Amino acid sequence: RKEVEQDPGPFNVPEGATVAFNCTYSNSASQSFFWYRQDCRKEPKLLMSVYSSGNEDGRFTAQLNRASQYISLLIRDSKLSDSATYLCVVTIKGYGQNFVFGPGTRLSVLP
Amino acid sequence: NAGVTQTPKFQVLKTGQSMTLQCAQDMNHNSMYWYRQDPGMGLRLIYYSASEGTTDKGEVPNGYNVSRLNKREFSLRLESAAPSQTSVYFCASSEIEMNTVAFFGQGTRLTVV
Repeated sequence: RKEVEQDPGPFNVPEGATVAFNCTYSNSASQSFFWYRQDCRKEPKLLMSVYSSGNEDGRFTAQLNRASQYISLLIRDSKLSDSATYLCVVTIKGYGQNFVFGPGTRLSVLP
Repeated sequence: NAGVTQTPKFQVLKTGQSMTLQCAQDMNHNSMYWYRQDPGMGLRLIYYSASEGTTDKGEVPNGYNVSRLNKREFSLRLESAAPSQTSVYFCASSEIEMNTVAFFGQGTRLTVV
């Protein structure tokens, strides 16, 4: 079983739609959680950190459920510019951080 | 605003050739990483360096070596390239404490023919 699993998609949604991505992780020792965004042929960039209390950044809302080992990302009012691959990332405790990436979920927002 | 800089951006190698991918960061981070990204596989950790003077194997270290030259620089060497090493390689850096973020270089697209 992979350490971090995501539905690869693609998710094809119209502009203005709300879309949700899910991610599960297998290591209960995971300590930090992030969503990264990766545009085609570019490097991953941090979208937002994910906190146990849930957090929101504009149109983006992230939730963490430690008991179920589940992370979600909700995008409201989708824009064309949201088209990208969204990577779920967890860190595993150890000497220095060890970032473990999910395979990513591809989103296409259509006009 | 350099952040993490990787060179080269593109490279074509013949099977058996060697090369070194260079990475430098200007954020004074302690930890640095090398990942490879293949279609459908996501990012997989090759090697990492938690701090200057230390290096450790990641998930897929075979066929690679690394050097943490100093706090800023972390290089990845392919001693004898194989077609299976065709991939996009990303260098990243972060602070050593938990709950800090990884920053990535722009990537190196390597093709081994």
